[in-house]
Amino acid sequence: KAGVTQTPRYLIKTRGQQVTLSCSPISGHRSVSWYQQTPGQGLQFLFEYFSETQRNKGNFPGRFSGRQFSNSRSEMNVSTLELGDSALYLCASSQEGNEQFFGPGTRLTVL
Amino acid sequence: GQNIDQPTEMTATEGAIVQINCTYQTSGFNGLFWYQQHAGEAPTFLSYNVLDGLEEKGRFSSFLSRSKGYSYLLLKELQMKDSASYLCAVRGRGFQKLVFGTGTRLLVSP
Repeated sequence: KAGVTQTPRYLIKTRGQQVTLSCSPISGHRSVSWYQQTPGQGLQFLFEYFSETQRNKGNFPGRFSGRQFSNSRSEMNVSTLELGDSALYLCASSQEGNEQFFGPGTRLTVL
Repeated sequence: GQNIDQPTEMTATEGAIVQINCTYQTSGFNGLFWYQQHAGEAPTFLSYNVLDGLEEKGRFSSFLSRSKGYSYLLLKELQMKDSASYLCAVRGRGFQKLVFGTGTRLLVSP
């Protein structure tokens, strides 16, 4: 089985711009979660989608949003980028109740 | 609130045994996970505990005590490739939200 894939792998944006990141889960996995990883804060939960519905949301501002499509692929969007949004964004997929499998991440740099 | 604590850094020698501790305080509990993350790579799943006791998987074992809010990851016969960050994560009741600790960076020296 192919693993979780994320595109793009690297991205450079400037303050004020917006960005869309994509995640394709492992085939058969319907749950997709997004995390932000920074050196100081570690891995922080953004949100989780299951069957196109957001089931859970972390403590991030409304500039961070996401969606899931009928084929379980997911996207997250960050609007009005700030310098502090520079981070590794990780997507993880799972079958209900089981461990999460992480993708390689998208490294976002905001200048 | 939710809080997960683990040591920031540990060092050990090749061939030795190391124990990485994790304590947690969460509003709900539905399992504890350990992940390994090498620098520049994604976290990879190591172990899962939902009931008290020890789970063994090759050179890696994980222990859980729910009453004490405590877990540890035990790595035996350390190898240089075990140098990585080890992340403790707790899942609350329902769904798939994982709360992660900041990770323990393990350095294995010859």
